Amino acid sequence: DADVTQTPRNRITKTGKRIMLECSQTKGHDRMYWYRQDPGLGLRLIYYSFDVKDINKGEISDGYSVSRQAQAKFSLSLESAIPNQTALYFCATSDSDRGPTDTQYFGPGTRLTVL
Amino acid sequence: LAKTTQPISMDSYEGQEVNITCSHNNIATNDYITWYQQFPSQGPRFIIQGYKTKVTNEVASLFIPADRKSSTLSLPRVSLSDTAVYYCLVVPGGYQKVTFGTGTKLQVIP
Repeated sequence: DADVTQTPRNRITKTGKRIMLECSQTKGHDRMYWYRQDPGLGLRLIYYSFDVKDINKGEISDGYSVSRQAQAKFSLSLESAIPNQTALYFCATSDSDRGPTDTQYFGPGTRLTVL
Repeated sequence: LAKTTQPISMDSYEGQEVNITCSHNNIATNDYITWYQQFPSQGPRFIIQGYKTKVTNEVASLFIPADRKSSTLSLPRVSLSDTAVYYCLVVPGGYQKVTFGTGTKLQVIP
């Protein structure tokens, strides 16, 4: 079984719809992240969470919200989807107690298309 | 966070050694150099990290000169399955927020 799972893997939705992307992990890590990837722009950080009670905005948080329901679950919501939110979304986790720096483990991604 | 510069793309034939160089002129004393690999339609995967000199693991080697203003990821005898995007990151020690650039797209040719 994969350590970091994302659901759904693919989603097509319409402008103005609310959509939630979910991430679950079995690695026991305390830190979780949401990124989006667009062609030619690399990965950009949307939100990150160091523990259940900690939520932080990343580079591009406008139009997104998150919820850390438990240590293992981190959801990303688009309250009113717009076409320029069409992208590949990745969830990642890391462990604050291991190594000199953060090593992140990524899920398989969710491909979101907003029509 | 230190900015990195790496080539946008590279081509290599199977069986050759590939070296991808990354510049990070404003690297700080407590920064580490980290490389990730991303295959098409997958999330990035950590491959190697170093602070100075040379680090080697089963996947790659990382060479870091004394001034630490650049680093070179070396992939020995690449195969078609090494076709991927390689990201160079400068990561502060103990710090959580990292920045992924656009990476280097490596295409291995038969």
